[in-house]
Amino acid sequence: AQKVTQAQTEISVVEKEDVTLDCVYETRDTTYYLFWYKQPPSGELVFLIRRNSFDEQNEISGRYSWNFQKSTSSFNFTITASQVVDSAVYFCALSEAWTGNQFYFGTGTSLTVIP
Amino acid sequence: SQTIHQWPATLVQPVGSPLSLECTVEGTSNPNLYWYRQAAGRGLQLLFYSVGIGQISSEVPQNLSASRPQDRQFILSSKKLLLSDSGFYLCAWNLGLAGYEQYFGPGTRLTVT
Repeated sequence: AQKVTQAQTEISVVEKEDVTLDCVYETRDTTYYLFWYKQPPSGELVFLIRRNSFDEQNEISGRYSWNFQKSTSSFNFTITASQVVDSAVYFCALSEAWTGNQFYFGTGTSLTVIP
Repeated sequence: SQTIHQWPATLVQPVGSPLSLECTVEGTSNPNLYWYRQAAGRGLQLLFYSVGIGQISSEVPQNLSASRPQDRQFILSSKKLLLSDSGFYLCAWNLGLAGYEQYFGPGTRLTVT
């Protein structure tokens, strides 16, 4: 079974619109970590954020914000006032404390921001 | 600061030829190292990871092998490439601490013809 599900395969928005990328995870571990990565057309994955299972506080960084809800096993990512430079594939990932070295990546959401 | 290098950036190889991709990390010691493959369609497939010199864990049985001859060097190899080996190969590192994020290299785009 998929540990991380990103149901949105592709999203297109017009510049300046807000967009939310969904991520749903599955784990039996009580201690786990969630991540978001951005993969621009150049290919390199860029780390955006890490969240541990004990910290449900939402985070905001500029135009980016993350909503972590354990009750729904979701870790959604919102981009406010999207820009063309936000066009990329975004990956959500899960790491469990007991497996340590394994990262479980979702299949990614391809975001296109239309100018 | 830490830096991760991969080379070559692109590679075109015929079926049946050998492969060697190299990854090195600077600015840290005893990192965990990872090889991923990303085929067309975006998903990341973990191929190998290593927690120390000479220690390799294989996640998917296939035509590839990995080695870690030095603390910060990770090599992906194949004796005979298959068409299905085409893809984008990414190396990553992190500290051996629970929950530490992975940092990725620039990747190698391999086309097997």
